[in-house]
Amino acid sequence: NAGVTQTPKFQVLKTGQSMTLQCAQDMNHEYMSWYRQDPGMGLRLIHYSVGAGITDQGEVPNGYNVSRSTTEDFPLRLLSAAPSQTSVYFCASSKVFGTTETYEQYFGPGTRLTVT
Amino acid sequence: DAKTTQPNSMESNEEEPVHLPCNHSTISGTDYIHWYRQLPSQGPEYVIHGLTSNVNNRMASLAIAEDRKSSTLILHRATLRDAAVYYCILSVGNKLVFGSGTILRVKS
Repeated sequence: NAGVTQTPKFQVLKTGQSMTLQCAQDMNHEYMSWYRQDPGMGLRLIHYSVGAGITDQGEVPNGYNVSRSTTEDFPLRLLSAAPSQTSVYFCASSKVFGTTETYEQYFGPGTRLTVT
Repeated sequence: DAKTTQPNSMESNEEEPVHLPCNHSTISGTDYIHWYRQLPSQGPEYVIHGLTSNVNNRMASLAIAEDRKSSTLILHRATLRDAAVYYCILSVGNKLVFGSGTILRVKS
């Protein structure tokens, strides 16, 4: 298994540009999520999905869109990039969390995004 | 959301045990306690999780206080490869809420 893959590894955007960060997993996991990590800080949840066709907002969703058309893929779209979105973005997947059980999340290697 | 409190940093000698503490006094009855770690320039990596009982796996042990208001991650023999940021997290439904974690430095 490749696990969780993310592309690109690095990206530089100008303010106002849009782009899509790709995330794919080959573990047949229902749950996928996107986090951002600013320098010296912990991860913050942007959006998540509990299955194809189902997405929801996390802690910091503004400026980002997601969709989940397949179990494997969960792309993150930046609509109009701003310098405040300079960060490292991590995608993660797991079996679905429930209220009576929980499963480990597998994280991708990250995409380092700079917006100038 | 239930919060966790961890020391900003800790230091350990190689080959010695490390006890990383975490306080979570507002934990609810259904919150799981998770530990993840993040090595430099990598994504977080699952370490261990538990609900009420102590847990052991190949990486570490998790000791949970009887009242569940605190827990301790135990690395039995620290190696240089264990130098990382360790996050103690309470699961809130489907979401993991990361704090700032504990930076573990391992000296040779």
